[in-house]
Amino acid sequence: GAGVSQTPSNKVTEKGKYVELRCDPISGHTALYWYRQSLGQGPEFLIYFQGTGAADDSGLPNDRFFAVRPEGSVSTLKIQRTERGDSAVYLCASSLIGTGDEQFFGPGTRLTVL
Amino acid sequence: AQSVTQPDIHITVSEGASLELRCNYSYGATPYLFWYVQSPGQGLQLLLKYFSGDTLVQGIKGFEAEFKRSQSSFNLRKPSVHWSDAAEYFCAVGGASGTYKYIFGTGTRLKVLA
Repeated sequence: GAGVSQTPSNKVTEKGKYVELRCDPISGHTALYWYRQSLGQGPEFLIYFQGTGAADDSGLPNDRFFAVRPEGSVSTLKIQRTERGDSAVYLCASSLIGTGDEQFFGPGTRLTVL
Repeated sequence: AQSVTQPDIHITVSEGASLELRCNYSYGATPYLFWYVQSPGQGLQLLLKYFSGDTLVQGIKGFEAEFKRSQSSFNLRKPSVHWSDAAEYFCAVGGASGTYKYIFGTGTRLKVLA
């Protein structure tokens, strides 16, 4: 079966613009996660979905960041008024049940804000 | 506070030599422990995981890791390194039932000399 996919693989945008990053989890996985990996760092947790609802969004850095998962499958991470500091690789992961099970990671979207 | 420390930012070994990458964690409950590998431009690939049971865990590509509760460590080892092992390695800790966030270390970049 297919793994986690993310589109686009690369996104270049200008400061102040709005961007959307998409994640397609593994079919049947109820849990979905977003992480952000800045240069030279490990991934950092952003948000966790269980089904359609955001169970924990405590990692979102500020209110410019928002994520949705309207049908409990595909998720979109939305960033408003992008800043240069938002440049990073955004990783999506999914897992079968969400607590204590293995997360499978996608290839990531590299976001560059000029 | 929960954290993962990978004290070695860079490690260089000769092809055929043995390898040990260090990982120390701080976690309030019984941890689930993971090692991931990330090649340039690629997503995170799981090498091995420890949930419970035997403290010596075998993974893919000839890697193994040993969980030492008394030392709060989960070091990754390989007896003979191949040039294709050059990549960045991340240790991560996640919770047992009831938690879902992975906390990653900052990574160790491995260089392999021919």
